[in-house]
Amino acid sequence: AQSVSQHNHHVILSEAASLELGCNYSYGGTVNLFWYVQYPGQHLQLLLKYFSGDPLVKGIKGFEAEFIKSKFSFNLRKPSVQWSDTAEYFCAVNEDYGQNFVFGPGTRLSVLP
Amino acid sequence: EPEVTQTPSHQVTQMGQEVILRCVPISNHLYFYWYRQILGQKVEFLVSFYNNEISEKSEIFDDQFSVERPDGSNFTLKIRSTKLEDSAMYFCASRDTNQETQYFGPGTRLLVL
Repeated sequence: AQSVSQHNHHVILSEAASLELGCNYSYGGTVNLFWYVQYPGQHLQLLLKYFSGDPLVKGIKGFEAEFIKSKFSFNLRKPSVQWSDTAEYFCAVNEDYGQNFVFGPGTRLSVLP
Repeated sequence: EPEVTQTPSHQVTQMGQEVILRCVPISNHLYFYWYRQILGQKVEFLVSFYNNEISEKSEIFDDQFSVERPDGSNFTLKIRSTKLEDSAMYFCASRDTNQETQYFGPGTRLLVL
């Protein structure tokens, strides 16, 4: 069965620090990859997604992610975090069009002002 | 921007009682999903629904669970006889036919006492 892992359970950064959140998945075939963010008290919102093409994808709020097929990874990055980026970040994968998502366990990001 | 909505936002129930969680997907979406997130754990897939029938379900989605689209707008999850371990946040999601992205509702926090 497919699984998704995220490297860090909780990351604490100061404002303006750079961010990289790791995500690895187990499936060897074609996958669609997503990063969702959950701000405190809010619902899951799509940050960015990768289906095909350029492995470096840009999302909202200055986030980007790079798909490295050989490493089964889809790491999320942001060059300079803000206090408002404090949230939980979930990596998600699905194998085929329309299939359900398999989520990673989430990484809680705390940005200190 | 259209959103998925869910009601109630919170529900407290006694063990053994039936609960119905309601979702209103985005209006032109035809694919619907339920996920749950037990406190401190990852988001888990429950069931997907298309064309008035279940497309896929996980091991979690046993005989105690059912889904229904009773009218043109609502999509419901029923738990027939709740157990303590059903306490979780339940997320509804919907998807357009020509898109891979699933859009999530704000969730219903269910507490079974």
